[in-house]
Order: sequence, then C-alpha cells, then structure tokens
Amino acid sequence: SAVISQKPSRDICQRGTSLTIQCQVDSQVTMMFWYRQQPGQSLTLIATANQGSEATYESGFVIDKFPISRPNLTFSTLTVSNMSPEDSSIYLCSLAGVGETQYFGPGTRLLVL
Amino acid sequence: QKEVEQNSGPLSVPEGAIASLNCTYSDRGSQSFFWYRQYSGKSPELIMSIYSNGDKEDGRFTAQLNKASQYVSLLIRDSQPSDSATYLCAVNHGAGNQFYFGTGTSLTVIP
Repeated sequence: SAVISQKPSRDICQRGTSLTIQCQVDSQVTMMFWYRQQPGQSLTLIATANQGSEATYESGFVIDKFPISRPNLTFSTLTVSNMSPEDSSIYLCSLAGVGETQYFGPGTRLLVL
Repeated sequence: QKEVEQNSGPLSVPEGAIASLNCTYSDRGSQSFFWYRQYSGKSPELIMSIYSNGDKEDGRFTAQLNKASQYVSLLIRDSQPSDSATYLCAVNHGAGNQFYFGTGTSLTVIP
C-alpha cells in the first residue's frame, strides 16, 4: 500500500494564527481526505480534497476556516485558519485504496494556546 | 451526518478469551464496512473490511455483517495484550467514498 507522510507531526500554536499541514503520498491517488479527531473522540471528515478543483466540505466545515489545496495526485495541504483552542485536535489525511478502503497518514497533533 | 454507533466500553477481557465488538449503522444504503484499530497516540490502521452478509475471517479476526439488522461486529479470538486499543467501526455509504466512523470501543486485554 502507499506510504503517507504528514508534516508537521505536531505543533503548538497561538490563537489567531494559522497552520498549514502537508500530506504527501508516494504514489498517485485519486481521492484524498482530511479528518479531525478531537481529544477522546472519533474521526470526523472535514473535506474531500479534489485534484484540480475546489474541495468538497462536510456540514459544519467551511473553506474560509479550513482551506485545502490539491495541486497534484500525490500532495495536499490543509490550513487551519484563525485558530482557537477548540481547534486543538489531531488532523489526519487519508487516501482511498482498493475496495473502497481508506488508509491514514500518521496525523498532525495540534495544540492551540 | 450518518450515524454509526458503538459501545464506548471500556471492554476488558482476559488473555486468550474472545473479544466481541459491535457496531450498528443507520443508513440502509451503506455498502462497505470496516474495522480499524487505533493505538493511543497513533493513527487508525485497517484490520478488516466486509461487503456482504455473513462472516469473514482473517487470522484471529472475524467480521460479521447483517445488513437486514444494520449490524456489524468484530470478534477477536485468543485475545492478546497487544490487542489492547480502540477499535473503530467505519461505514461507507458509497457516495464519494466518504467514511463515517463510530466513536470507538476501548478494549483492554488483561494478561
């Protein structure tokens, strides 16, 4: 299966700032996704990152807060904008594999002070 | 948001016993079902996928699906301390490959 990497692995940020998280895959994939996992919670889909077009956001998530780029089939970024402590979470990218499976990157652990 | 429900646990079983994890889902149009294991501080890793009614076995793991009852389960035979983790049930409704996750069941295997 593809190897997924994320940068940074963790960060501590001040409220009001923005952080861009990178997701790199070692092979071309059609579909990539971004999830959030808040402390003690399960995974919530933020958006589907579409190559060459705007991301598709789930209910409760908006482009102004979580802009996403997908410049090619191996790379995507998620920006968490104007952060507040409520944005403290693990952010995970995933890709669609064979048989409708999904595989996850190692995650980015974000703490907002 | 589609609902996927799991008992949060914690579930404790002795080493060597069978651990039984359950999941129900609300959307009858769901087509694919998955179990992920997540160790503390790590990202989820895929254990099993199941697409049709019945049982699917892979080593010590057996996934069971009953679409009429909208129920999917995971059995872990001969449980080991290394199986201690949170187990996440995920459902794919078939539209855009979007997954919906349950809240997870925390499993502890006691040596």
